[in-house]
Amino acid sequence: EAGVAQSPRYKIIEKRQSVAFWCNPISGHATLYWYQQILGQGPKLLIQFQNNGVVDDSQLPKDRFSAERLKGVDSTLKIQPAKLEDSAVYLCASSLRLAGAGNEQFFGPGTRLTVL
Amino acid sequence: SQQGEEDPQALSIQEGENATMNCSYKTSINNLQWYRQNSGRGLVHLILIRSNEREKHSGRLRVTLDTSKKSSSLLITASRAADTASYFCATDAEDSSYKLIFGSGTRLLVRP
Repeated sequence: EAGVAQSPRYKIIEKRQSVAFWCNPISGHATLYWYQQILGQGPKLLIQFQNNGVVDDSQLPKDRFSAERLKGVDSTLKIQPAKLEDSAVYLCASSLRLAGAGNEQFFGPGTRLTVL
Repeated sequence: SQQGEEDPQALSIQEGENATMNCSYKTSINNLQWYRQNSGRGLVHLILIRSNEREKHSGRLRVTLDTSKKSSSLLITASRAADTASYFCATDAEDSSYKLIFGSGTRLLVRP
């Protein structure tokens, strides 16, 4: 079974530039998540999709971050404009159903973003 | 918002010893999950324990849950160098979103 795919793996940009990350979840997984993980901390949920609908985006900085999952499969996360404090690893995960209801999450390898 | 907090923040043991990590949380939960993260395999699910369970085993892993104390522990027996990783507990949020909230993790170093 193919895992969660993410690209790019690494990205270096200047502050105020824009960047986009792509995620393809495990086939058949209805729920998709984007997390931000700052060095030395645990993953912080940015947004959670159920099929192509948003379940929770309460911690997404909506003035600069946006995410979509138009066809209920793959997803993109965009930052525009980037700030220095956005430097982090961005993790995508998927699960058959909602993780908080007791379902295992499968994580991709992450995209390491450095904002200079 | 932080739900789970792991203790200790860092742990260094000799190969073959047991490692115990603790997780405390603030509000009532439906389930608690433990994940491992290392540079080689990324973030991987280890075990899930539901609020009506007190103990679960999976190979060399043993997880306990005490809902009265709002705490959980992860025991790794007969540790190996390959167990070197960060370990996170994750709990479901108290709202109705069914999202997981991760703690800050315990960094485990197993010395060969």
